Amino acid sequence: DIVMTQAPLSVSVTPGESASISCRSSKSLLHSNGITYVYWYLQKPGKSPQLLIYRMSNLASGVPDRFSGSGSETDFTLKISRVEAEDVGIYYCGQLLENPTFGAGTKLELK
Amino acid sequence: QVQLKESGPGLVQPSQTLSLTCTVSGFSLTSYNVHWVRQPPGKGLEWMGRMRYNGDTSYNSALKSRLSISRDTSKNQVFLKMNSLQTDDTGTYYCTRDRYYGGYDYWGQGVMVTVSS
Repeated sequence: DIVMTQAPLSVSVTPGESASISCRSSKSLLHSNGITYVYWYLQKPGKSPQLLIYRMSNLASGVPDRFSGSGSETDFTLKISRVEAEDVGIYYCGQLLENPTFGAGTKLELK
Repeated sequence: QVQLKESGPGLVQPSQTLSLTCTVSGFSLTSYNVHWVRQPPGKGLEWMGRMRYNGDTSYNSALKSRLSISRDTSKNQVFLKMNSLQTDDTGTYYCTRDRYYGGYDYWGQGVMVTVSS
């Protein structure tokens, strides 16, 4: 199975500042079709996960453009600009290139 | 609108079989894949398996010997059955969907399952 490793495990951010979360895969997620099959989800407290970013850099429907995804074949970054209170929760990266796997999650809190 | 809703028993005895149903609306099971994902209390997400739009299934290798996923398209339902439950199977079980590798864009509310005698 492809292992997804996230860092840091937790991050504390001042509202209005930016935050970055990293995710590394144990295998390239770049398919021969040019698509990179990495995804980002946010699980707010007590809620189901929600999709933020699909195929590495595409913003999911209804997600503020303060969120952005980037990366290479095995190293990926989720950036949140101008963090707001509603961004608090646990962020997960995941892959769909092979049988799906998720990272362990990064908890974002406000200072 | 698109909805997925999990249902099933909240309490299962050790060694027994878990049966869950995911009832969907607002989309067709013959157009979308439906996945089961679980989350132990206070822990991360674990993919369990999927029912593809064409009726094929695939499973997490760690669960494959205990897990079965099926569907009834006429009732818009996807079923999960997992046998030989143990206490570490306790957690919230979600169904979710994807299509064309677009990611899991809709999730059910989840159903909490406790394995205990």
